[in-house]
Amino acid sequence: GAVVSQHPSWVICKSGTSVKIECRSLDFQATTMFWYRQFPKQSLMLMATSNEGSKATYEQGVEKDKFLINHASLTLSTLTVTSAHPEDSSFYICSARPGTGELFFGEGSRLTVL
Amino acid sequence: DQQVKQNSPSLSVQEGRISILNCDYTNSMFDYFLWYKKYPAEGPTFLISISSIKDKNEDGRFTVFLNKSAKHLSLHIVPSQPGDSAVYFCAASARGNTGKLIFGQGTTLQVKP
Repeated sequence: GAVVSQHPSWVICKSGTSVKIECRSLDFQATTMFWYRQFPKQSLMLMATSNEGSKATYEQGVEKDKFLINHASLTLSTLTVTSAHPEDSSFYICSARPGTGELFFGEGSRLTVL
Repeated sequence: DQQVKQNSPSLSVQEGRISILNCDYTNSMFDYFLWYKKYPAEGPTFLISISSIKDKNEDGRFTVFLNKSAKHLSLHIVPSQPGDSAVYFCAASARGNTGKLIFGQGTTLQVKP
């Protein structure tokens, strides 16, 4: 099946620094990708919809200046957590779909902010 | 406002028996439902889906049932296997917006040998 890959899978950073997470569709092109966040023992929450060549659409309550999304190509979307703080520590997951088929998820990226 | 709810945080089942995971939703605009399986520190993997025009979809050991009038769906796994032990999320999407999923809280299934 289609593959969506995330990098890095695990990152630890100091408070106040920025962290970039990449999401790639390896064998298909995706005009739209989705970014989710999961806190421990909680549901996956949609943060934003990443649109190739245009601005991302953020869900209510998600700070767009805090979570910068760039979808510069049909196979790559990046999520940058700016000035990260401990409360941003979470599991970030992206997803994408080839055409109108099944939605595939990346492996996830665990962010720990010290 | 939790639009998709999985009210059982955990379920324990003996190997070989049936596992039934439940999910309720509140948004009548949802017309496509999916079940995902997730291991710790990994992304979810797709299991099975169902469109609102159906009331049942079966794929091997996995069957999803949809009761639209009750806004309820369930995932049946039979026979359950120890490898099925994971967190199961149900998700829903609204008409014309199938890429945007709303997830339930998840149910941790433990299948005991």
